[in-house]
Amino acid sequence: NAGVTQTPKFRVLKTGQSMTLLCAQDMNHEYMYWYRQDPGMGLRLIHYSVGEGTTAKGEVPDGYNVSRLKKQNFLLGLESAAPSQTSVYFCASSYRVAANYGYTFGSGTRLTVV
Amino acid sequence: DQQVKQNSPSLSVQEGRISILNCDYTNSMFDYFLWYKKYPAEGPTFLISISSIKDKNEDGRFTVFLNKSAKHLSLHIVPSQPGDSAVYFCAASFTGNQFYFGTGTSLTVIP
Repeated sequence: NAGVTQTPKFRVLKTGQSMTLLCAQDMNHEYMYWYRQDPGMGLRLIHYSVGEGTTAKGEVPDGYNVSRLKKQNFLLGLESAAPSQTSVYFCASSYRVAANYGYTFGSGTRLTVV
Repeated sequence: DQQVKQNSPSLSVQEGRISILNCDYTNSMFDYFLWYKKYPAEGPTFLISISSIKDKNEDGRFTVFLNKSAKHLSLHIVPSQPGDSAVYFCAASFTGNQFYFGTGTSLTVIP
């Protein structure tokens, strides 16, 4: 049982480059989320999805786009990377009511923008 | 503006003693609260939850207490074990799905 898998685990980008982070879950969860973790800031929600074909903005959506074409996958895109997007990115998924069982997180992607 | 605050960045406790991790929040509309544990280079893992209709929830060595009037929750770990050494995050939500996280408390359990 793989749970939530994030690809890649590490990446270094130059300012202005683009990339896509892939998140895949095999638990048939309806909800999926992208968070970023920065020192002293905790985890902040970027975008989330409540089902296939749907996406919504979280706390810090600027500079990111997302897509959920298949229920098991949630993609996070950076169209033009900036140094402020250097962070650790976590994908998570949950059943409809996350309050009971929490999220299942992936192991993270460490992104550095130079 | 940080809506969920963990004011103690770190905590050290002797093995076998109680660990108490604290969390404060500013928004009285939060109804759902979770605690997560995180080891280095791993994603956070869910520990325990509580909703606003309760003031206490237990799961083995872990107990979460909620004081809604004080907008405060705490996680008690008894007895503490070296394997409990990790960063602990509290999180709060209005809806039960989109959660706001605190900045974390690093717990070290000394053998």
